[in-house]
Amino acid sequence: QSALTQPRSVSGSPGQSVTISCTGTNSDVGGYNYVSWYQQYPGKAPKLMIYDVTKRPSGVPDRFSGSKSGNTASLTFSGLQAEDEADYYCSSYAGNYAVIFGGGTKLTVL
Amino acid sequence: EVQLVESGGGVVQPGGSLRLSCAASGFTFRSYWMSWVRQAPGKGLEWVANIKQDADEQYYVDSVKGRFTVSRDNTYNLLYLHMSSLRVEDTAVYYCVRGKGCGHTYGCPVGTLYYFDYWGQGALITVSS
Repeated sequence: QSALTQPRSVSGSPGQSVTISCTGTNSDVGGYNYVSWYQQYPGKAPKLMIYDVTKRPSGVPDRFSGSKSGNTASLTFSGLQAEDEADYYCSSYAGNYAVIFGGGTKLTVL
Repeated sequence: EVQLVESGGGVVQPGGSLRLSCAASGFTFRSYWMSWVRQAPGKGLEWVANIKQDADEQYYVDSVKGRFTVSRDNTYNLLYLHMSSLRVEDTAVYYCVRGKGCGHTYGCPVGTLYYFDYWGQGALITVSS
């Protein structure tokens, strides 16, 4: 399968709301409610931020939220903070015991 | 504290073989599906393989089928990735990751096995002549 489609980069000022999109197909994002999002700082391992499309693991701030409509999932930052600057990856279950990731989005806090 | 520590990375020639290990601690290893996820330099994430709790099921991304084998030792809380016929395009940091599941050892919806809630620090494999 091809990678899910994410914008290469997004940016916003502190306090602003920013959304990262993740577009797939009926065979992955659109076909299952098993979408997750990961945050990755340079040189570090990724961290799970969202799962089951909308759920946050313990310890993830509530300014991070997830949603899905059709074949597109979204990660929204409500009230951007400087420490949110990182790379973000979406992923979706794609059937047949496989998962695919998006290409990643670099979030810049201006 | 959950810890996943990979070892065995290094430089290998194309066509060569290598085995990665991952030592798990801080959780009941035998109760979780485990996966390997890789990231080529400057690129995105790619799921490589996973293995069921009792090792009777393994799944792979198409690009490594027939070349990589995932295994585990629940006695010593170890996860392995045996890699053979390595290609230049296999160059990446390989992460050992835990599948979050649903809070039960068995019977979780399959999609929950692919939420990776704990990651190792990664092991770099460089395939080059």
